[in-house]
Amino acid sequence: RKEVEQDPGPFNVPEGATVAFNCTYSNSASQSFFWYRQDCRKEPKLLMSVYSSGNEDGRFTAQLNRASQYISLLIRDSKLSDSATYLCVVNPNTGNQFYFGTGTSLTVIP
Amino acid sequence: GAVVSQHPSRVICKSGTSVKIECRSLDFQATTMFWYRQFPKQSLMLMATSNEGSKATYEQGVEKDKFLINHASLTLSTLTVTSAHPEDSSFYICSAVLGQRNTIYFGEGSWLTVV
Repeated sequence: RKEVEQDPGPFNVPEGATVAFNCTYSNSASQSFFWYRQDCRKEPKLLMSVYSSGNEDGRFTAQLNRASQYISLLIRDSKLSDSATYLCVVNPNTGNQFYFGTGTSLTVIP
Repeated sequence: GAVVSQHPSRVICKSGTSVKIECRSLDFQATTMFWYRQFPKQSLMLMATSNEGSKATYEQGVEKDKFLINHASLTLSTLTVTSAHPEDSSFYICSAVLGQRNTIYFGEGSWLTVV
């Protein structure tokens, strides 16, 4: 089983739609969780960390479900500019080992 | 602003030559940096972990003699692609970890084209 699994999509949604991505992880002791956004031909950029209690940043909401071992990213009121690949990253401990999802491709359609 | 800076952003080199890519941590010291490669429409693949003052740790299948990593200071790691071939053409990205939550910050990436 992979350390981190993520549906690659693609997700094609109309403007204004709500879309959610999940990312499952295998190590129940994982400590830190992140969502990154990667635009075409660019480096991944931190979108948001995922906190145990869940956290929101504008139209973006991140959730952690430790019982089922997954994190989620919810995007409300999708904009054309949200089109990108969304990558989940899991740090299983406090060290320097990280596991990456394969990325989920999102295209927001006018 | 940028936390990790990478240079050059794009480089074209002839087959058989070597090319060096630099990764710098800005305003912080990074004892560990990471090097990745990403082919078009594929996932990031970790190539190696660069350790300041010691040898890099390479992932399985990555040739250490071809991809030379030097981490001579706490703010600079370099990746040298030696005897480059067209199949080495790819997007190379470095990263460093910062903060209590061990957050990864990526450099801007370097597009290598070997002709």
